Amino acid sequence: AQSVAQPEDQVNVAEGNPLTVKCTYSVSGNPYLFWYVQYPNRGLQFLLKYITGDNLVKGSYGFEAEFNKSQTSFHLKKPSALVSDSALYFCAVRPRSGNTGKLIFGQGTTLQVKP
Amino acid sequence: NAGVTQTPKFQVLKTGQSMTLQCAQDMNHNSMYWYRQDPGMGLRLIYYSASEGTTDKGEVPNGYNVSRLNKREFSLRLESAAPSQTSVYFCASSPTKLAGFTDTQYFGPGTRLTVL
Repeated sequence: AQSVAQPEDQVNVAEGNPLTVKCTYSVSGNPYLFWYVQYPNRGLQFLLKYITGDNLVKGSYGFEAEFNKSQTSFHLKKPSALVSDSALYFCAVRPRSGNTGKLIFGQGTTLQVKP
Repeated sequence: NAGVTQTPKFQVLKTGQSMTLQCAQDMNHNSMYWYRQDPGMGLRLIYYSASEGTTDKGEVPNGYNVSRLNKREFSLRLESAAPSQTSVYFCASSPTKLAGFTDTQYFGPGTRLTVL
């Protein structure tokens, strides 16, 4: 079965330190990859996506993600965390074939940035 | 430009009651989606509409029906609510027809539904 795993329910980091939120996937072929962020009581907001090309993708609010085909991973990173980055982060993948409507989400990782 | 709007924001139902969740987008998008979000499970696709006039089942369609009323509006109906349908429901839209593979999806603020 196709799936997305975010192995950490919560990531804690001090403000100013680098952060990484991990994502691995089990999807056939080379899927398209997305990161979304959800602030409390809000809908999901798009951060970035990997379609093709450079494995390092830059997105909104200083976030970037690195696609690693051999490890089937798409980890989200930021060089210097802010308290305002505290939120729930979702990795999502879309297979390149089959059901065109299906965006498969991970279970989410809560990022807590402490001052 | 309001983006994706959803009504109501909160709703409490009794088992067996029916209701319709409304969604509208003003971005002239072709594809629209309904998801539910449950703790520890991410978002799961209920139904989607790849273009005006078409709808298709997603991962968890049982107990729901949808209507793509026009290009702007996509409603989700619970005919006989059950406690298992307690969840947060999100509507989303994306620009291209056929739920384009590389499309970014834009989400509404959600409806928090409790079924007693």
